Amino acid sequence: DAGVIQSPRHEVTEMGQEVTLRCKPISGHNSLFWYRQTMMRGLELLIYFNNNVPIDDSGMPEDRFSAKMPNASFSTLKIQPSEPRDSAVYFCADREGAGNTIYFGEGSWLTVV
Amino acid sequence: AQSVTQLGSHVSVSEGALVLLRCNYSSSVPPYLFWYVQYPNQGLQLLLKYTTGATLVKGINGFEAEFKKSETSFHLTKPSAHMSDAAEYFCAVTNTGNQFYFGTGTSLTVIP
Repeated sequence: DAGVIQSPRHEVTEMGQEVTLRCKPISGHNSLFWYRQTMMRGLELLIYFNNNVPIDDSGMPEDRFSAKMPNASFSTLKIQPSEPRDSAVYFCADREGAGNTIYFGEGSWLTVV
Repeated sequence: AQSVTQLGSHVSVSEGALVLLRCNYSSSVPPYLFWYVQYPNQGLQLLLKYTTGATLVKGINGFEAEFKKSETSFHLTKPSAHMSDAAEYFCAVTNTGNQFYFGTGTSLTVIP
């Protein structure tokens, strides 16, 4: 299995632009998580889905952030408009059924200038 | 509420020396505990996990960890450090499989 696949791996964008990060979870894994990692705040859970339904989005920083999971094999995290303080590594992770282990993708390195 | 505390944000060891990375957790119910490793510019990779059963768990790359309920600890060890072990290590706890609480990470440096 290829694991959790994220794209793009690196993105540099200008302040005010829309950013869309994509995630393909492992086939059959029905929970999906979006995390943000920064030096200052460490790993933060932004949102997670079970069976494509958002369960907890309390970690989403503000209305500029939105996440969707239209089907079991695809999710997006969108930032509109982007700001320099959004610069971070964004990780997608998933979990298999009733399992208790999450598996991370390689991350999307976002720089907003 | 659950939480994880990793003691020491930076640990340096000589190549061949014992590696000890400390993790203490707080959980009101029996926890599931994890160690993840993050190499530069990569995602987090599962090293090992404790769910139930044997309290000493072995993971990849020669690492192991022991769940000590009385001490609420889950310290990570490796008898002999290798240069390739240099990375960031994260301890995590969950009881539901939905909310995972991560520590702030420990950066391991291996000195040749």
